[in-house]
Amino acid sequence: GNSVTQMEGPVTLSEEAFLTINCTYTATGYPSLFWYVQYPGEGLQLLLKATKADDKGSNKGFEATYRKETTSFHLEKGSVQVSDSAVYFCALSDLTNAGKSTFGDGTTLTVKP
Amino acid sequence: GAVVSQHPSWVICKSGTSVKIECRSLDFQATTMFWYRQFPKQSLMLMATSNEGSKATYEQGVEKDKFLINHASLTLSTLTVTSAHPEDSSFYICSARPDEYPLNTEAFFGQGTRLTVV
Repeated sequence: GNSVTQMEGPVTLSEEAFLTINCTYTATGYPSLFWYVQYPGEGLQLLLKATKADDKGSNKGFEATYRKETTSFHLEKGSVQVSDSAVYFCALSDLTNAGKSTFGDGTTLTVKP
Repeated sequence: GAVVSQHPSWVICKSGTSVKIECRSLDFQATTMFWYRQFPKQSLMLMATSNEGSKATYEQGVEKDKFLINHASLTLSTLTVTSAHPEDSSFYICSARPDEYPLNTEAFFGQGTRLTVV
């Protein structure tokens, strides 16, 4: 079956620091990969996505590259802001699982001024 | 973009009562919707897949008589927590994908419902 393994948190950084959150996956099919963000008390929002190998998803300064050879989709941002404090979920979807998404456990990011 | 609206955002109820949570796709049709439960500082746990016009498919370990799901139309699914108890207190989130989207595309999430049972 499908699974997503995400770097354990929580992660605490100072403003303008570099962020990396690791994510690896296993999938029976050829999945699309996603990063979702959840702010306190809210649902999930799509942050970025990649649908095929070597694609780079990017949004709001965040980026992640679909690496099929290492089955990874690490999230990076060069300079975090306090407003980036949230929970980040790595996820995948493919055509074999009736539309269900598979999520990692989530990583809580706190950015201090 | 596709919008999913969940209502209410929060609800407090007494033990033994039932609570209904609505999930609506505002600008698209969704034959399938998904219901998740999220405990504090934990990931999403898929509870069930809601199917318009047919019975919901529940994940292993989820009591279908406890968590009743009705997918009344192509834009509305409801989750009813019956005879609620304090251990049912949690954050419930729904998601959906437009019917015309391939199954491997992103899902759109409601804003979640915080249920507190006292």
